[in-house]
Amino acid sequence: GENVEQHPSTLSVQEGDSAVIKCTYSDSASNYFPWYKQELGKGPQLIIDIRSNVGEKKDQRIAVTLNKTAKHFSLHITETQPEDSAVYFCAASRSGGSNYKLTFGKGTLLTVNP
Amino acid sequence: DSGVTQTPKHLITATGQRVTLRCSPRSGDLSVYWYQQSLDQGLQFLIQYYNGEERAKGNILERFSAQQFPDLHSELNLSSLELGDSALYFCASSAFRGTNEKLFFGSGTQLSVL
Repeated sequence: GENVEQHPSTLSVQEGDSAVIKCTYSDSASNYFPWYKQELGKGPQLIIDIRSNVGEKKDQRIAVTLNKTAKHFSLHITETQPEDSAVYFCAASRSGGSNYKLTFGKGTLLTVNP
Repeated sequence: DSGVTQTPKHLITATGQRVTLRCSPRSGDLSVYWYQQSLDQGLQFLIQYYNGEERAKGNILERFSAQQFPDLHSELNLSSLELGDSALYFCASSAFRGTNEKLFFGSGTQLSVL
């Protein structure tokens, strides 16, 4: 089955700096890669996703890049703010067929220091 | 607010007992997913229902079962509880049948087995 590795497990940055979280996946058939943000006491919230036919996607201060050959994808947050502090999860999945399992990485605790 | 409602928020019970977790999906969403979150295992997919029928199964124990009712709410039943079942259980919903795209998570039910 799919295996998703996420690094780093913790990340501390100063407000205004950029943050980068990296994930690798094992199943070359995976074609959907979402990123979720989980704040304390809440459920994960989808912040951005990318399909395998796209190399990069941007939404304001958040961007995701995908390298299918190397089987890794990254989340980039620019101009970080204290409200960006949360646990971030990457995930990978196939679509179609009978395997609909969304496999998550173990998460990255991002702390943005004012 | 994701629009997904989970009850109860907290549940404390003893080993050997049986509990039921309830989830109401976002209005119009036909797919319901159940996930278990623990510190050591991370977010693990348990099971998915689409419009009342089981769609996909993940790492769900035989002691656990779920169903989705005609009004689309779902229940996760956990029986013969063990200490290791203590975890945060999330329900998520989406409008899609065959993919894991655009999942909206509830705030979870924190289960403590003593």
